[in-house]
Amino acid sequence: EAQVTQNPRYLITVTGKKLTVTCSQNMNHEYMSWYRQDPGLGLRQIYYSMNVEVTDKGDVPEGYKVSRKEKRNFPLILESPSPNQTSLYFCASSLLLGLASYEQYFGPGTRLTVT
Amino acid sequence: LAKTTQPISMDSYEGQEVNITCSHNNIATNDYITWYQQFPSQGPRFIIQGYKTKVTNEVASLFIPADRKSSTLSLPRVSLSDTAVYYCLVGPYSGGGADGLTFGKGTHLIIQP
Repeated sequence: EAQVTQNPRYLITVTGKKLTVTCSQNMNHEYMSWYRQDPGLGLRQIYYSMNVEVTDKGDVPEGYKVSRKEKRNFPLILESPSPNQTSLYFCASSLLLGLASYEQYFGPGTRLTVT
Repeated sequence: LAKTTQPISMDSYEGQEVNITCSHNNIATNDYITWYQQFPSQGPRFIIQGYKTKVTNEVASLFIPADRKSSTLSLPRVSLSDTAVYYCLVGPYSGGGADGLTFGKGTHLIIQP
């Protein structure tokens, strides 16, 4: 089954404790992206990657890191989480048509709470 | 960045046709228009994508006038399960930031019995 998986689905952590949220897709998609969703703010893009070893900042990259060492995986790293990073996080992937993304497939989401 | 403007919320009734319009006055020549649907606590789901005129699939239709400064998502005969947030996206690139795809706040569609 074609899918995007994220782990963990729920995470409660404390300020400053490094964490990684994994994202994996089995569709051989070139493009992968991370979003956060907060009440009243919609979906905002954190980072994206157009292929292996190619990553770039989205709208809200501060406090986050990503890596793309393999085509299928795109982990999101919070080196020193803070309470303002409490949010619902989504990973997405898609094929590329030239520079245009076709439909994005989203993961189930990771609900992160930082106390 | 081609910004989009869509209504914050809309109401309709089961069995009706619902049209959600998105304005994108600054759309560029190589921009596509894409619509997504999102249910609470789930990731958005692709509905339809188009460049000009009309596109139809098994779920919806997308109408894009000649000037491409707006687009209308049409949902035929809606049901209660169509209650969701609908996002209009405009962009040529897969990336974010100044040149990329921005979801915005979407339109909260509420379907009543």
